[in-house]
This record gives sequence, C-alpha cells and structure tokens, in this order.
Amino acid sequence: DTGVSQDPRHKITKRGQNVTFRCDPISEHNRLYWYRQTLGQGPEFLTYFQNEAQLEKSRLLSDRFSAERPKGSFSTLEIQRTEQGDSAMYLCASIGESSYNEQFFGPGTRLTVL
Amino acid sequence: AQSVTQPDIHITVSEGASLELRCNYSYGATPYLFWYVQSPGQGLQLLLKYFSGDTLVQGIKGFEAEFKRSQSSFNLRKPSVHWSDAAEYFCAVGGRAGKSTFGDGTTLTVKP
Repeated sequence: DTGVSQDPRHKITKRGQNVTFRCDPISEHNRLYWYRQTLGQGPEFLTYFQNEAQLEKSRLLSDRFSAERPKGSFSTLEIQRTEQGDSAMYLCASIGESSYNEQFFGPGTRLTVL
Repeated sequence: AQSVTQPDIHITVSEGASLELRCNYSYGATPYLFWYVQSPGQGLQLLLKYFSGDTLVQGIKGFEAEFKRSQSSFNLRKPSVHWSDAAEYFCAVGGRAGKSTFGDGTTLTVKP
C-alpha cells in the first residue's frame, strides 16, 4: 500500500488554458474527496465520490470544474479556462470501508496560473 | 452548517515548553474530530482523531487532544515541544459522509 498519490505535483499554466489533475487513492478505498487549499487557509471541500458516483459538489465547484471517477478507482479533476484565482493546492483524500471516516491525504498538486 | 475556528493564527513556543492549540467547532450532531499537521508544500498528516468514547485521545508524535462537548472544543496539546514540531496545524470536523470542514490553521514556530 503506497498511499494516495497525485500527479502532477506542480503545474504552471497560462490563464485560459485547461489543466487536468489525477488522483490515485489507496486501493480498495471506495470514497474519494477533492479539496482546494489557498495560501493561509485550510482545505475547502470541492467534491466527493463513492465508487464511481459523484455524490456531492460544493458551490466552490464552478462550471469550469469537472471531476470524474470512471471506474471507481482513480479520479481526475479538470479545470477549463483557468483563471489566476484558481491558483491553489489541490488535495485528494480517500476513505476505506473500515477507516471510520479517517481520510488519507495525498501530497497535493500545486497549481500556478500566470 | 459545520464550521471550525482556530483562534490563534500563529503561536511561538520555546523548545521543551508545553503547547496547546485551540479548536472550536460547530456541528449539528456528534462530530468526528481530527487534527492534522502540514509541513510547507506537503499534504496533510493525521495526528489524531475522535469518533466516540474516551474524550482524551492520544495521537502520534506525543500529541493528545481532549473533546469537550459542553465547550464545543477539541484542543491539541503536547507536554514538550521539539524543534521538528514547527509546522501548520489544522483542526477539522466531519460527519458520516466523510467530508471534513477545516479551520484556517495555526502556524507553530519553535524557538531554540
């Protein structure tokens, strides 16, 4: 068990470009969560999946953001037409059936929009 | 709506001194409570968690926290701080769906 992994670790893009991040949860963890963390703040919930079903989306998740978990394993988070305000750390976490709601976090993807 | 308040943005303690980081939460049911530590540019590491039972919980790295329902608090303590404890600390509250609401963190600086 190698923990939650995220790719890439860093992404620099120009405003208006599309970016996609990937999260690989701990194997057999059925719940997967995305959070966004800006400088000086705690992580803010974006969305979560149980298996392949997206069960909840935050109001923070504008229509430029889309997340998928097509086979109930890895997940992708896409941001279209990036804006400078999208610059943040994007964190992924997963929970297993026997984890008592303990989230295991990945190292995050740091996005910088120029 | 659930919320977490960490009143202290920044705390400085001397190495070897005791530490207490404050956390107050708002939640409509029995909360799941967590403390995480984050080093610069890194993800979150769980220090300890409270789900039910004994209100004093022990965590990793010598940390402990006490759940006080009457005060809606879950303060983190350590009897003797080490220089390696310098980091940012986040308190979080969660529910049965698993998603968590985090405070804005407390940055800990350790003086030699």
